[in-house]
Amino acid sequence: EADIYQTPRYLVIGTGKKITLECSQTMGHDKMYWYQQDPGMELHLIHYSYGVNSTEKGDLSSESTVSRIRTEHFPLTLESARPSHTSQYLCASSEFKGGAGDTGELFFGEGSRLTVL
Amino acid sequence: KNQVEQSPQSLIILEGKNCTLQCNYTVSPFSNLRWYKQDTGRGPVSLTIMTFSENTKSNGRYTATLDADTKQSSLHITASQLSDSASYICVVSDRGSTLGRLYFGRGTQLTVWP
Repeated sequence: EADIYQTPRYLVIGTGKKITLECSQTMGHDKMYWYQQDPGMELHLIHYSYGVNSTEKGDLSSESTVSRIRTEHFPLTLESARPSHTSQYLCASSEFKGGAGDTGELFFGEGSRLTVL
Repeated sequence: KNQVEQSPQSLIILEGKNCTLQCNYTVSPFSNLRWYKQDTGRGPVSLTIMTFSENTKSNGRYTATLDADTKQSSLHITASQLSDSASYICVVSDRGSTLGRLYFGRGTQLTVWP
């Protein structure tokens, strides 16, 4: 059983609101990720972090921001939500192995489903 | 462009029957391939990992195969159960960078009927 938690699970908000999706893991993993998932589509990486004070943008352009002040915590913030932000957001973590290749097994949270009206 | 293609897009089978899901990839240089199971409304969970030198690996009723020459993998589910209803996602990792990069398929949606 993965020890990675996301809150809220479901969120419905109006356009222009600021929201923060929380993600915490208790496995001590260095690497953490945020993915966006739409029905029938592949997961798209929007942010990742190698460790404390390290954050990078992923492949998918996103208006969100992230922070990594503590190893276990990797929140994602949208300053002004729009209907185009409606999606499922998945947080994941993995053990950093270093060297060429494997990122390690991803452990996912249960997801946060965001609806922007 | 590195891609991961899965087929079929969706599949319906009767409980107790077997099925095989396919994953073709063009990712290079190849590091490994993982199959994840994603239940509705949940996050994906890893089922198995295949490295370059492995041809077959089993995890209970799940058996994954890899043909690195043709860049194909399959996930065979034996004696399906209702709880197998889920999306099965193929994820390929490259070794072209120190930290690796992941390529996700769109998944195969499996429905098992009683």
